[in-house]
Amino acid sequence: LAKTTQPISMDSYEGQEVNITCSHNNIATNDYITWYQQFPSQGPRFIIQGYKTKVTNEVASLFIPADRKSSTLSLPRVSLSDTAVYYCLVARGGNAGNMLTFGGGTRLMVKP
Amino acid sequence: GAVVSQHPSWVICKSGTSVKIECRSLDFQATTMFWYRQFPKQSLMLMATSNEGSKATYEQGVEKDKFLINHASLTLSTLTVTSAHPEDSSFYICSAPDASSTDTQYFGPGTRLTVL
Repeated sequence: LAKTTQPISMDSYEGQEVNITCSHNNIATNDYITWYQQFPSQGPRFIIQGYKTKVTNEVASLFIPADRKSSTLSLPRVSLSDTAVYYCLVARGGNAGNMLTFGGGTRLMVKP
Repeated sequence: GAVVSQHPSWVICKSGTSVKIECRSLDFQATTMFWYRQFPKQSLMLMATSNEGSKATYEQGVEKDKFLINHASLTLSTLTVTSAHPEDSSFYICSAPDASSTDTQYFGPGTRLTVL
């Protein structure tokens, strides 16, 4: 399983765009990149998943460069409710039965 | 996305008693489910992989006789913490992969266990 490295914490203000970068230098050809959000005392919630280039959904965008050794989660115009821990995970795609290994995550604090 | 539920959401028990936590996939079938433990301010740690119809696979350092896992059906896995002690107090989370979606796993809301 590819190891991931993320900043431990980030601060932002309401209305700003937040970009959280994750390094995964040992990502394998079949690996997908998935981001989860976790609020205190709740289970992680799926945000977005991608393999290469750019993926966008209603809550976030995921940018993956050509070498796939890193990825950036972009949260447009954050609000106070986006304060949470964000986890970047890399796991083999094509088989949803693979276990996920969580790194330390990034603790995002959104201030008014 | 798919929905995974857990029951109970929280439980307080006396030291030495056993506690059962249920994990259900509500709108899909899961031949595999995963159990995690999370201590305050820490990340999730995988405890075991629950396999329907076969024995669970435990991660190194996790006592299989203490954390009993039963994957009774394609929508239900249970984790029983036997002879619980205060050090077992933690947040227990299960996840289940949706085979129709590439490597997307859905997590339950978690169960807060407090052992007195």
